[in-house]
Amino acid sequence: AQKITQTQPGMFVQEKEAVTLDCTYDTSDPSYGLFWYKQPSSGEMIFLIYQGSYDQQNATEGRYSLNFQKARKSANLVISASQLGDSAMYFCAINAGNMLTFGGGTRLMVKP
Amino acid sequence: NAGVTQTPKFRILKIGQSMTLQCAQDMNHNYMYWYRQDPGMGLKLIYYSVGAGITDKGEVPNGYNVSRSTTEDFPLRLELAAPSQTSVYFCASSWTLNTEAFFGQGTRLTVV
Repeated sequence: AQKITQTQPGMFVQEKEAVTLDCTYDTSDPSYGLFWYKQPSSGEMIFLIYQGSYDQQNATEGRYSLNFQKARKSANLVISASQLGDSAMYFCAINAGNMLTFGGGTRLMVKP
Repeated sequence: NAGVTQTPKFRILKIGQSMTLQCAQDMNHNYMYWYRQDPGMGLKLIYYSVGAGITDKGEVPNGYNVSRSTTEDFPLRLELAAPSQTSVYFCASSWTLNTEAFFGQGTRLTVV
C-alpha cells in the first residue's frame, strides 16, 4: 500500500511571494504518478499538476511547479507569486497499484 | 461537457436507512473512485474500479458496497447508515493511472 504525508496543516504566505507545500510519499511500486489538487472553500477538486515517477524533469504548469526528489520520496509544490485566490486546501496524491491515495492536506492562506 | 455527475447533492438519512449515491461519467474513463471527506480532513478512498465488472476495496470500505456494470456508472451503496458515515462523498474518474482524475461536485450526507 502507498502513503502520502503532508506535514504542514496550515501555512501563511504574503501576497506576491512564493510558497512551498511539502509532500512525502511511500510506495513499493516502481511506476507511479504524483498529483496536486486544490480545494477552495466552495469544495470542488481542481487538478493542478502531475509528475510521473520516470519523468526526468520537474513538472511546471504556469505558477505551479513540482519539486520532485525521487531519492527522498518527496514531491513538493511550489507556487510562485501567490495571489489571494490561492487561499485554499491543497492535497498531494499518489496513484500506484491502481489506487489514487491522498494526503491530509495543507491549508494555505494568502495575506494581502 | 458533463464530466462526472453525482446525485444527489445533499441528503439526510436516518440511522439504519439505506441509500445509493449515483456517479456517472461520460468520458469513457476506465478508472473510477469513491472517496469520503470528513470536515477539515483529506480524502479517504472507499472503493475503486479499473473497468466494468471489476471493483476493489480502498482504505475505508466497511459499511459500503459498489458495483460497476457499465463503464459509465459507479454507484455507491450505504447499507444501515450510521452517524459515522456523515461526510462529503466524492466520485472521480481517470483515463489511466498517470492522467488527472476528474471529480464530481460531491454529495453531502448527514446521518441522524
